Amino acid sequence: AQSVTQLDSQVPVFEEAPVELRCNYSSSVSVYLFWYVQYPNQGLQLLLKYLSGSTLVKGINGFEAEFNKSQTSFHLRKPSVHISDTAEYFCAVSGYSSASKIIFGSGTRLSIRP
Amino acid sequence: DVKVTQSSRYLVKRTGEKVFLECVQDMDHENMFWYRQDPGLGLRLIYFSYDVKMKEKGDIPEGYSVSREKKERFSLILESASTNQTSMYLCASSLLGADSYEQYFGPGTRLTVT
Repeated sequence: AQSVTQLDSQVPVFEEAPVELRCNYSSSVSVYLFWYVQYPNQGLQLLLKYLSGSTLVKGINGFEAEFNKSQTSFHLRKPSVHISDTAEYFCAVSGYSSASKIIFGSGTRLSIRP
Repeated sequence: DVKVTQSSRYLVKRTGEKVFLECVQDMDHENMFWYRQDPGLGLRLIYFSYDVKMKEKGDIPEGYSVSREKKERFSLILESASTNQTSMYLCASSLLGADSYEQYFGPGTRLTVT
């Protein structure tokens, strides 16, 4: 079984500042890792994914994440945020053998201050 | 573009009523999912289906049932609504197989049970 922990429920940052949203996972098997984003009044959409290979993955809208197996982390970063990045971000994990079934974290609400 | 639609954005029902939430996807996806989203809890899987007339329980199936009579449609049923089922309900779909990790979400139905 897998689990995901997002330590920060809310992260306020100023526009054009860098941001890091933290995610740690637990699993006894190899995993796929994801970040999904939910803009206000919308469903979730896939931001980026780690399946295998390079541990640094790039997603849409300038976001990137780094898979760290030894620390079981998959933190999301962006060097300079914009007002339009205001959203809730969900880290998620699935096992290789059950890729359909995704376990979501509790979410981090990113609020951007002008 | 994949489109997942949900029958209502907002719904208000009384305790004890039978409630139907409908979801339709237009990309011929095999997998369909129902989640509920609550603040601080993230998304929790209620039921999923990987084929017509097939269903599997998720993490919180109690008080819910589902129906999948056609590939494109997946219905969530609350047999007797209770106030603790007040929540945001999200439907999602995905392919079967190697790309099954990418789920496409509808905009959600915010259900209030009074």
